[in-house]
Amino acid sequence: DGGITQSPKYLFRKEGQNVTLSCEQNLNHDAMYWYRQDPGQGLRLIYYSQIVNDFQKGDIAEGYSVSREKKESFPLTVTSAQKNPTAFYLCASRDGMQPQHFGDGTRLSIL
Amino acid sequence: QKEVEQNSGPLSVPEGAIASLNCTYSDRGSQSFFWYRQYSGKSPELIMFIYSNGDKEDGRFTAQLNKASQYVSLLIRDSQPSDSATYLCAVNWGTGFQKLVFGTGTRLLVSP
Repeated sequence: DGGITQSPKYLFRKEGQNVTLSCEQNLNHDAMYWYRQDPGQGLRLIYYSQIVNDFQKGDIAEGYSVSREKKESFPLTVTSAQKNPTAFYLCASRDGMQPQHFGDGTRLSIL
Repeated sequence: QKEVEQNSGPLSVPEGAIASLNCTYSDRGSQSFFWYRQYSGKSPELIMFIYSNGDKEDGRFTAQLNKASQYVSLLIRDSQPSDSATYLCAVNWGTGFQKLVFGTGTRLLVSP
């Protein structure tokens, strides 16, 4: 069953802690993306990757980091430098020039 | 600054009516346009995409694009209560790597 899997579904972060959100796809897509959505707002691009071992900052990359060591995996780390991390985080992937499709998302909250 | 504007709504329509959702964008360089539906608490799912001026139909959904006027719309015919959701418009600028800019979404309420 092909798709994009995000885990965990819910995540809580303590003050000063880094947390990592997982995104895995078995669709053989080259491009992967991370977005953040705040209540009542649209999606904002955090990072994106076109190929393995390459990624670029999006519009709101400060306080976040990513890696792309494998084609199927694009984890996002929310660092302690991100002072307002509470949001709905969405991972997407895309094949060629086709539209992006999203995983089910991870809700991150502050303890 | 590339911007995508949508009326936040809610847009209320009775069951069976046509719902018309609109989106305007700021840059004439935009190349491709997408409509995503997002149910409360869920992730967005792709409804339609359109690249060329004119209409594109898929079942009860029609996307309309007018590049000269810089707007794209989504029509939902025979609206159903299950269509009640937030509809996000997304625009891709340029012909290179796809990077979408999203509007804030229009909330649609379809009453039985």
